[in-house]
Amino acid sequence: DAGVTQTPRHEVAEKGQTIILKCEPVSGHNDLFWYRQTKIQGLELLSYFRSKSLMEDGGAFKDRFKAEMLNSSFSTLKIQPTEPKDSAVYLCASSDRGQDTQYFGPGTRLLVL
Amino acid sequence: QQQVRQSSQSLTVWEGETAILNCSYENSAFDYFPWYQQFPGEGPALLIAIRSVSDKKEDGRFTIFFNKREKNLSLHIKDSQPGDSATYFCAAIDTNAYKVIFGKGTHLHVLP
Repeated sequence: DAGVTQTPRHEVAEKGQTIILKCEPVSGHNDLFWYRQTKIQGLELLSYFRSKSLMEDGGAFKDRFKAEMLNSSFSTLKIQPTEPKDSAVYLCASSDRGQDTQYFGPGTRLLVL
Repeated sequence: QQQVRQSSQSLTVWEGETAILNCSYENSAFDYFPWYQQFPGEGPALLIAIRSVSDKKEDGRFTIFFNKREKNLSLHIKDSQPGDSATYFCAAIDTNAYKVIFGKGTHLHVLP
């Protein structure tokens, strides 16, 4: 089984740009999570989907961050407009419904100038 | 109520020693506690996990000790190796509400 795939692995954006990060979960997994990881804040949940339905949208991240799950095997995270404080690693994870273990992708490292 | 705290940001041990990483939580609804290991440039990967009905879980050199009454747990890494140098995250999950909270991680350095 292929693990969680994330593209691109690295992204550099100018302030104000729109960027879209992509994630393919483990085949057959029903739950998908987007996290932001920084040294100071650790792992922060941005969005959580169960069977393509948005269960949690991360509260404070709502205004410029939008995650979508168009089908069960593909999700995007759009940041619009980007700000330098968005520089972080963005991680996607998936899990099988009824299982509690999350499987993480390698992450996308975003740098906003 | 939702916080998960890892007591050390960083821990250094010598090769062959036992590394002990501590974690505490506040919400008594949490009932599943995975530990994740993360190497630079990679996503976190599940290392070992325990359910709140148990007080100990062992897998090779890795053991979790869990104290439900005190709301804390620890990860013991026996016979630490330089290859164990990584960041370790404690997580707490309420499996009924599907809430998951991660600690901020402990960076373990194992010196040869």
